[in-house]
Amino acid sequence: QVQLQQWGAGLLKPSETLSLTCAVYGESFSGYYWNWIRQPPGKGLEWIGGINHSGNTKYNPSLKSRVTISVDTSRNQFSLKLRSVTAADTAVYYCARDRIKMFPDWFDPWGQGTLVTVSS
Amino acid sequence: EIVLTQSPATLSLSPGERATLSCRASRNVSSYLAWYQQKPGQAPRLLIYDASKRATGIPARFSGSGSGTDFTLTISSLEPEDFAVYYCQQRSNWPPLTFGGGTKVEIK
Repeated sequence: QVQLQQWGAGLLKPSETLSLTCAVYGESFSGYYWNWIRQPPGKGLEWIGGINHSGNTKYNPSLKSRVTISVDTSRNQFSLKLRSVTAADTAVYYCARDRIKMFPDWFDPWGQGTLVTVSS
Repeated sequence: EIVLTQSPATLSLSPGERATLSCRASRNVSSYLAWYQQKPGQAPRLLIYDASKRATGIPARFSGSGSGTDFTLTISSLEPEDFAVYYCQQRSNWPPLTFGGGTKVEIK
């Protein structure tokens, strides 16, 4: 059974770079798209982008200029970097896999989430 | 960008009652719509995909219907564990993949 475990710095100052990593256990990394999704406190969900094992990426146009998603297939991990953060980037960040080996598909399963707070 | 509008924002019901949640898309998304359940402090969980297909392990009391721009999630008889926030999501037109604003089902 696939499990996603994520980690990263939880407190950042404005203008810094957010960096999170998600490790995949119990499943082949190849063939799927692996995604990042965020949720500001008390608000809804926003898709940030996704990547496959070959490094092909898909990004939300609203964040594309500040986002890089990368993959490390040797470790079954993928990562998110979001540059020049502001308070508006404060959110719980989730990693999630596409349900089947096709993009786009539905998000299942999800990681546990990481709260990232941006504050001076 | 396709905007998904969920209604109502909050639904106050008692256990055993029927819940009907709505999701309306700003453009035709065919059947490319899913529903997720989120409980406090937890990640969302996929309930329904392709508008009407139950995800693995989802009880039969959850059902989805609709196509085009109007979709419904129905919980036939609310169990205590069903009180949560529900989100719809579309994958018909991207980027970006988009979610609705959510409906909170609370205990009356």
